[in-house]
Amino acid sequence: NAGVTQTPKFQVLKTGQSMTLQCAQDMNHEYMSWYRQDPGMGLRLIHYSVGAGITDQGEVPNGYNVSRSTTEDFPLRLLSAAPSQTSVYFCASSLDRLNSPLHFGNGTRLTVT
Amino acid sequence: QQPVQSPQAVILREGEDAVINCSSSKALYSVHWYRQKHGEAPVFLMILLKGGEQKGHDKISASFNEKKQQSSLYLTASQLSYSGTYFCGTEHFGNEKLTFGTGTRLTIIP
Repeated sequence: NAGVTQTPKFQVLKTGQSMTLQCAQDMNHEYMSWYRQDPGMGLRLIHYSVGAGITDQGEVPNGYNVSRSTTEDFPLRLLSAAPSQTSVYFCASSLDRLNSPLHFGNGTRLTVT
Repeated sequence: QQPVQSPQAVILREGEDAVINCSSSKALYSVHWYRQKHGEAPVFLMILLKGGEQKGHDKISASFNEKKQQSSLYLTASQLSYSGTYFCGTEHFGNEKLTFGTGTRLTIIP
């Protein structure tokens, strides 16, 4: 099993560009989430999903969109990139909502210039 | 609401013990603990559900005090491999979001 796979690992965008960060898991996990990590601020929740077709906002959702059309995939879309979105992004999944461990992907390091 | 972790950083010699605290201003349903090494993804350590239970494996254990809305992570006889940043994540009743603290950086020196 691959676990949680994120692509790309690194990305550089210009201000105003859009892109999609991909996240896929092969563990049949219902719960998936996106976090961003900035120095000194820990992991902040962007969006999460408790199952296919269901998504909800986290602490810092502005500037990001998500969808969950299948159990396996949970892409994160940046609509119009801003320098404030420079960060490391982690996708995570768990089997039974938050009663089981979060499995994290290896992260995507995004730089917006 | 983001939980508060303390201390922010700690340096220990190999073999010494450490305690990391995590507290919330709201009633907790569960507390997660993760460790992250530099340049890597966070890795799960343990989950504690409401009930004041204590969990542990090897020389790392944790407690959850539901009344005080806090959890503590105990690392005994620390090893070099324990170095990293420790995060607690908290979930509140009726809320399926896991909110992380800002982390505690643990450095173990020989």
